[in-house]
Amino acid sequence: DIQMTQSPSSLSASVGDRVKITCRASLSISSYLNWYQQKPGKAPKVLIYAASSLQSGVPSRFSGSGSGTDFTLTISSLQPEDFATYYCQQSHSTPGGLTFGGGTKVEMK
Amino acid sequence: QMQLHQSGPGLVKPSETLSLTCTVSGGSISTTSYYWGWIRQPPGKGLEWIGNIYYRGTTYYNPSLNSRVTISVDTSKNQFSLKLSSVTAADTAVYYCASLSGYYYVYHFDSWGQGTLVTVSS
Repeated sequence: DIQMTQSPSSLSASVGDRVKITCRASLSISSYLNWYQQKPGKAPKVLIYAASSLQSGVPSRFSGSGSGTDFTLTISSLQPEDFATYYCQQSHSTPGGLTFGGGTKVEMK
Repeated sequence: QMQLHQSGPGLVKPSETLSLTCTVSGGSISTTSYYWGWIRQPPGKGLEWIGNIYYRGTTYYNPSLNSRVTISVDTSKNQFSLKLSSVTAADTAVYYCASLSGYYYVYHFDSWGQGTLVTVSS
């Protein structure tokens, strides 16, 4: 299985900050990488698919980059509603062998 | 976009079988560009993919759960189901159903059920 490693596992930031979360795959997954946001008690919601494509309806302050093994989710200016946990997920193995990163919790400083 | 609604018990005894059903609305489960999946999340922990099924019945399972998992589909009811046998306390989690949509390898989970907290306890 492809292992996905996210860093950091948590971070503290303020409204307006630029936030970057990284995800590393244990082998090359081309651009087959998705990012999800999860708020407490809710199901995850896709933000970015195929490494850099913004899901319809998602604010443009979210962006994704990377290919191969190293990927980044960037929030350009953190908003109050962005405090949540973020997960990466590889789709290189679709339809089987899907794996998620361990998550990054973004907390208020 | 599809809507998914989960049903099933929230309490299962150790060694018994966990059973959940996901009903799809707003579209057909037989859509060719979709797979249908189950994901779980132990309390306070991350997401774990359990498995996927295609409407024709082809299944794909997480190797760590493969011997205990069965996912099935009923196209006449627009439903798919999860069975996890021989459960232990380690299987206590919120279980989600989700639609996996896309093409080639560009797939993502775009719609999710509401989640069901399943507690394994006697």
